[in-house]
Amino acid sequence: AQSVAQPEDQVNVAEGNPLTVKCTYSVSGNPYLFWYVQYPNRGLQFLLKYITGDNLVKGSYGFEAEFNKSQTSFHLKKPSALVSDSALYFCAVRVTGANNLFFGTGTRLTVIP
Amino acid sequence: NAGVTQTPKFRILKIGQSMTLQCAQDMNHNYMYWYRQDPGMGLKLIYYSVGAGITDKGEVPNGYNVSRSTTEDFPLRLELAAPSQTSVYFCASRNTGGENIQYFGAGTRLSVL
Repeated sequence: AQSVAQPEDQVNVAEGNPLTVKCTYSVSGNPYLFWYVQYPNRGLQFLLKYITGDNLVKGSYGFEAEFNKSQTSFHLKKPSALVSDSALYFCAVRVTGANNLFFGTGTRLTVIP
Repeated sequence: NAGVTQTPKFRILKIGQSMTLQCAQDMNHNYMYWYRQDPGMGLKLIYYSVGAGITDKGEVPNGYNVSRSTTEDFPLRLELAAPSQTSVYFCASRNTGGENIQYFGAGTRLSVL
């Protein structure tokens, strides 16, 4: 069975500080890992993905994520948070051969001016 | 490029009424998905389709039906609306192979009273 855990419902960070949004996963095969962002009253937007290769993945808007196989984690990071980064962030996983994504429950990021 | 278009944006139904949520994509994607989003629960897959004429159940299909007569359209049908179907519904699509990225519509907010 596939599952994704986002242990923090809410993350608050001061503008200009680094941010981390945590994600761990459990799959029975090789994972495809994704981060999506959702702004109020909008659909989800793709941020970045890990399929294979370099464990550090860079994505949109200055975000990056590190794939850690031994810890089964895929934490989202950004060196310097902006107020405009405030949104709901979802981690998702798919395994090879599967047709759909499994999503975590989401983490609400608030960047405080 | 419109991407994934969902209509209506909002709807209020009475218990027992029926309705169809529309979803259309103009990216010639083979895969299409319907999710529901409930607070604190992330996204749950209702149904998906891997191409015209082919549909399959996701995690929470009860109370819903779908059809896929064309590549572009993937409507979701609620036959006998129940309060438990109050949710925000998202349609998504992706291409076969390629980058494995799902593209989402803006959502339909449904209340069943």
